Amino acid sequence: QSGLTQPPSASGSPGQSVTISCTGTSSDVGGYNYVSWYQQHPGRAPKLIISEVSKRPSGVPDRFSGSKSGNTASLTVSGLQAEDEADYYCSSHAGNHTLGVFGGGTKLTVL
Amino acid sequence: QVQLVESGGGVVQPGRSLRLSCAASGFTFSDYAMHWARQAPGKGLEWVAVIWHDGGNKYYGDSVQGRFTISRDNSKNTLFLQMNSLRAEDTAVYYCAKGWRVVDSWGQGTLVTVSS
Repeated sequence: QSGLTQPPSASGSPGQSVTISCTGTSSDVGGYNYVSWYQQHPGRAPKLIISEVSKRPSGVPDRFSGSKSGNTASLTVSGLQAEDEADYYCSSHAGNHTLGVFGGGTKLTVL
Repeated sequence: QVQLVESGGGVVQPGRSLRLSCAASGFTFSDYAMHWARQAPGKGLEWVAVIWHDGGNKYYGDSVQGRFTISRDNSKNTLFLQMNSLRAEDTAVYYCAKGWRVVDSWGQGTLVTVSS
């Protein structure tokens, strides 16, 4: 159960766009369209912001978008706002008889 | 709305046991697989265990296999995690979460500290 690879940090100025990558293998990210992204503010529980690679749950701003190419998924935050400063985690389904896997998390700083 | 409330955390000595509970409401509990996840202080998220909607299948992370047991009581809308032979590295906030391939709701977590 190896984890997914995310950059430890990312940053951008208000109004800019930033993209966070999440690299796995053909056994997880590349093999299933079940990549999720979670936003976590300090001291708070994770919040689902993207499911099934690119679906936004109700209430999540359309500034958040997701995509996937091969074994790498990406989260793009457009029009950065101060409240977007948080940790972001990707997770992927890895088969019907095992747990999923998380990325190590990316700390997004709004400059 | 979906509500998940964990309880049972606390300070426990290495080698001892602890049982966590998660009370669910706002959805048909018996229709959904449920997860436990954890987050060590200052670290990332880790899936701990998952149980299918009917309790028929359970899967565990390598780090807890053989020590932790996930279970559920669908008549009481409650998820459990029995943790045995606890180690210092099990110190973390433990979250229960709803769903299988898409995990869409999380509780606020309960802190487990393993220390002598």
